[in-house]
Amino acid sequence: NAGVTQTPKFQVLKTGQSMTLQCAQDMNHEYMSWYRQDPGMGLRLIHYSVGAGITDQGEVPNGYNVSRSTTEDFPLRLLSAAPSQTSVYFCASSRDRDRREQYFGPGTRLTVT
Amino acid sequence: GENVEQHPSTLSVQEGDSAVIKCTYSDSASNYFPWYKQELGKRPQLIIDIRSNVGEKKDQRIAVTLNKTAKHFSLHITETQPEDSAVYFCAASLIYNQGGKLIFGQGTELSVKP
Repeated sequence: NAGVTQTPKFQVLKTGQSMTLQCAQDMNHEYMSWYRQDPGMGLRLIHYSVGAGITDQGEVPNGYNVSRSTTEDFPLRLLSAAPSQTSVYFCASSRDRDRREQYFGPGTRLTVT
Repeated sequence: GENVEQHPSTLSVQEGDSAVIKCTYSDSASNYFPWYKQELGKRPQLIIDIRSNVGEKKDQRIAVTLNKTAKHFSLHITETQPEDSAVYFCAASLIYNQGGKLIFGQGTELSVKP
C-alpha cells in the first residue's frame, strides 16, 4: 500500500491564482481530512469528509473548497490564493468511526507571493 | 466547537529525565484523545491514544492520563532519549457524532539533550 499520497510536494502561487492540491489513499478509509500547519499554531482542520459524497467544514474553511466523489480521493481547491494561505498542507485519512488513527500524507508546502 | 490548549510550547530536558506535556479541552462531550509525534520535516504519527472510559494508558516509556472532570489530559515520557526530540501534538474528538473532526493543540517542541 502507498498509504496517503499528496501532490505536489512544493508549489509557488501568485496572489489570486487558483489550484488544487491532490490527496489519495489506497487503504479504503472512510474518513479523510485536510489540515494546514503554521508555526506555533499546530494543525488546524480545514475540511473533512466521513465518506464519499459527504464533506463538512473544519476550523478554518474560508478560501478552500473540497469534494469527495470517490472513497480514494479528496482534493483541496484554493479558489483565489492569498499570502495568508502560505502553509504546509497535510491530508490525512482514518479507517472509520471506531478506528480513528489518522494516517498523514507527506505534506505540500505552498507559498503564495 | 472544540478548542484544545497545549502547554508548554517548548520543553527542554536532559537525557534520562521525564517530560510532561499538558492539554486542556473545552467540549465536555469529547471522548477520544490521541497524541501525535512529528519529527523534523516528517509527517505526524500517532504514538498513543486514550478514550474517555479509561483514566490512564501506558505503552513502554510513554503514558497518557485523562481527567474528565477537569477536562485535561497529559502525555508523560519517562527515561527520555535524544530520539524523543520532536514536536508533540495532542488532539480531541467526539467520535460518534462528529465523524472525522479531530481538533489539535498548538504543539510542544521537545528537545532532549544528551
